[in-house]
Amino acid sequence: GAVVSQHPSRVICKSGTSVKIECRSLDFQATTMFWYRQFPKKSLMLMATSNEGSKATYEQGVEKDKFLINHASLTLSTLTVTSAHPEDSSFYICSARMSSTGTGELFFGEGSRLTVL
Amino acid sequence: GENVEQHPSTLSVQEGDSAVIKCTYSDSASNYFPWYKQELGKRPQLIIDIRSNVGEKKDQRIAVTLNKTAKHFSLHITETQPEDSAVYFCAATLSGTYKYIFGTGTRLKVLA
Repeated sequence: GAVVSQHPSRVICKSGTSVKIECRSLDFQATTMFWYRQFPKKSLMLMATSNEGSKATYEQGVEKDKFLINHASLTLSTLTVTSAHPEDSSFYICSARMSSTGTGELFFGEGSRLTVL
Repeated sequence: GENVEQHPSTLSVQEGDSAVIKCTYSDSASNYFPWYKQELGKRPQLIIDIRSNVGEKKDQRIAVTLNKTAKHFSLHITETQPEDSAVYFCAATLSGTYKYIFGTGTRLKVLA
């Protein structure tokens, strides 16, 4: 089956630093990837839609200058949390859809847990 | 925009009993409804989905029903097993957009 990999799975950083999270589709091309944020015992909140070769589309209330998204290739999207603060601590998860199929299924990465000290 | 509500937030059942989780959506244009299972610390995985042109779909012990008029859909798990314990998320989307709006999740515990 389709595999989406995220890296790193866990990251701890100091307040004020920036952190980059990668989302890769390992065995398929992904025109579109999505980034979510998940708080403990809460649902997946869509942050932005990442389109290969174009600017990401952010959901209302998500700061685009805070959460930089780049989708430079059909297999890689990155989320950079800039000038991280403790309130940015969360579980960030990406998903991707196959470019070649219209089944609607999204494949999720394993998530990245960010802790900002 | 779309809004999805999910109930209950927690559900405990005895092994072998059935479990039902319900979701309602607000956007009548939504036409694709997947259900995801997320085990602790793991990624969500698709367990079943349904499109708006179908009222019911079944896959072994799992079934999903859809009522377009009422804008609600439900997940049914029969003969529950301890390994069914997880958090289940419903979602709604307009087919082709892949922009999923997730429900708030249901933590299912199957008691042995």
